Amino acid sequence: DTEVTQTPKHLVMGMTNKKSLKCEQHMGHRAMYWYKQKAKKPPELMFVYSYEKLSINESVPSRFSPECPNSSLLNLHLHALQPEDSALYLCASSQRTSGGSTYEQYFGPGTRLTVT
Amino acid sequence: RKEVEQDPGPFNVPEGATVAFNCTYSNSASQSFFWYRQDCRKEPKLLMSVYSSGNEDGRFTAQLNRASQYISLLIRDSKLSDSATYLCVVTPQGGSEKLVFGKGMKLTVNP
Repeated sequence: DTEVTQTPKHLVMGMTNKKSLKCEQHMGHRAMYWYKQKAKKPPELMFVYSYEKLSINESVPSRFSPECPNSSLLNLHLHALQPEDSALYLCASSQRTSGGSTYEQYFGPGTRLTVT
Repeated sequence: RKEVEQDPGPFNVPEGATVAFNCTYSNSASQSFFWYRQDCRKEPKLLMSVYSSGNEDGRFTAQLNRASQYISLLIRDSKLSDSATYLCVVTPQGGSEKLVFGKGMKLTVNP
């Protein structure tokens, strides 16, 4: 089963709201990722967690705050977002890299976020 | 030079045609290569990993040319359901957890 689930599917929030995106996988993967994707653009990496520890932060603004409560769950906390943050937010997971190999990433269906 | 470059197309082909996509990468240290497919307003789905020896899965063949630093995807006997955006993905260096995506190639297969 290569399923990654994400909730909610759609989210509309105001610039003063606080909300959270959730991601879950039960494939035993130890690396989890957040991506942002704008229309007609490829996904852009935001954060990587490896063994529940933040290993990569691609200089993401602090209004995005990731959290990895356990090996199956990944959250993205949102606060004081701007309209330009409206996008599809994708979660992915993979086996952790080994030696010189990087394993395939499996994506969830995404949360379509609109900031008003 | 961008890390991963693909011709974004669009590519419009008739059903049954053979389509070839190429993608170049700039970092010779890159070790892992993938093709993903993304349907409109959906998530990217892994199509194939690309191995040094090349690999085939039904109508799809992927190849890697390390000397020229490009990967290719060949789709034979294209179907209407192959219409999607195809993303070339590489790792910037061996063992990196980071994937770098090309801009994607939009394919439309016409009846």
